[in-house]
Amino acid sequence: NAGVTQTPKFQVLKTGQSMTLQCAQDMNHEYMSWYRQDPGMGLRLIHYSVGAGITDQGEVPNGYNVSRSTTEDFPLRLLSAAPSQTSVYFCASSKPGLAYEQFFGPGTRLTVL
Amino acid sequence: AQRVTQPEKLLSVFKGAPVELKCNYSYSGSPELFWYVQYSRQRLQLLLRHISRESIKGFTADLNKGETSFHLKKPFAQEEDSAMYYCALRGGGSNYKLTFGKGTLLTVNP
Repeated sequence: NAGVTQTPKFQVLKTGQSMTLQCAQDMNHEYMSWYRQDPGMGLRLIHYSVGAGITDQGEVPNGYNVSRSTTEDFPLRLLSAAPSQTSVYFCASSKPGLAYEQFFGPGTRLTVL
Repeated sequence: AQRVTQPEKLLSVFKGAPVELKCNYSYSGSPELFWYVQYSRQRLQLLLRHISRESIKGFTADLNKGETSFHLKKPFAQEEDSAMYYCALRGGGSNYKLTFGKGTLLTVNP
């Protein structure tokens, strides 16, 4: 199993550009989530999904969209990138019964100029 | 609302010294508490959870509901323990969301 994979690893955007961060897992996990990690701020939940077709907002959802059309994939879309979205983004997944053990991807380092 | 506080951003100890990473939480119900660790250039991973009451890599953590704390302890720190440590809380029931603290960067000096 590849576990949780994220692409790209690094990305530089200009203000106003849009892009999609990809996340996929091959563990048949129903629960998936997106976090951003900023120095001194820890990990903050952006959006999460408890299954295909079901998504909900986390702590810092503004400026981000998600969809969950399959169990495996959970892409994160930045509609109009802003410098405040410069961060490291982590995707995570877990089984419903073991929701506390979230398996994390390697992260995507995004810089918005 | 659920909140996790890690009061120390940085913690530096010498090899062989005891180490304690502090974590306090705020939650009205019965939470589940966890410690996650991120070693340099590695993924964030679960270290231990309070419900299992286990020792992992020599680390233990006891949930103190009276003091609303879940401090992580190790009697003799090793250099390979140097990492970022995050305390996390999950509310009860079907609440899947994890709330993380801001993290403590532990450095174990030789």
